[in-house]
Amino acid sequence: GAVVSQHPSWVICKSGTSVKIECRSLDFQATTMFWYRQFPKQSLMLMATSNEGSKATYEQGVEKDKFLINHASLTLSTLTVTSAHPEDSSFYICSARRQGDYGYTFGSGTRLTVV
Amino acid sequence: AQRVTQPEKLLSVFKGAPVELKCNYSYSGSPELFWYVQYSRQRLQLLLRHISRESIKGFTADLNKGETSFHLKKPFAQEEDSAMYYCASTAGGTSYGKLTFGQGTILTVHP
Repeated sequence: GAVVSQHPSWVICKSGTSVKIECRSLDFQATTMFWYRQFPKQSLMLMATSNEGSKATYEQGVEKDKFLINHASLTLSTLTVTSAHPEDSSFYICSARRQGDYGYTFGSGTRLTVV
Repeated sequence: AQRVTQPEKLLSVFKGAPVELKCNYSYSGSPELFWYVQYSRQRLQLLLRHISRESIKGFTADLNKGETSFHLKKPFAQEEDSAMYYCASTAGGTSYGKLTFGQGTILTVHP
């Protein structure tokens, strides 16, 4: 089956530093990946759509300069939280959709804590 | 904009009882509807999608376009069904559309 690997699973960083989160499709090619943010006991909020070889499409209200997304290959998308602040602390989840399939496969998520 | 509503944040039932998790969507076209489940400390997993019309772990869901609903049902709940359930939709078709999630329902099945 389709597997999406997300790393790291958790990270603690100091305020002002940058953190990179990787999302890899292990056994399929993903031309499109999606990045979500989930606050405690709340639903998943789509942040951006990551397109291989082109710029990401951000949802309204998401700062593209703070949340840098790169989709350099068909199997890898990265989310970089730049100049992180405590309010960026959250659970970030990526997902990918295999061509021809109707389901989305999710990564295990990354718990980011900014201190 | 499409919207997915799950009116119940919490749902508790006893083992063996029927369970129904409600989901309503707002998109007026032909959306794709999904149910995802998230067990404790695990990633989201696809449970059902309306296109396949299959039954997974005893759960079924029927798309009712008249009521714009996609309720999840199981006739006899099991303790291992306790989890967070999300209803989600895309804008329809086979495009790589964005998933919109409902708020989620925490199902607890008591012994």
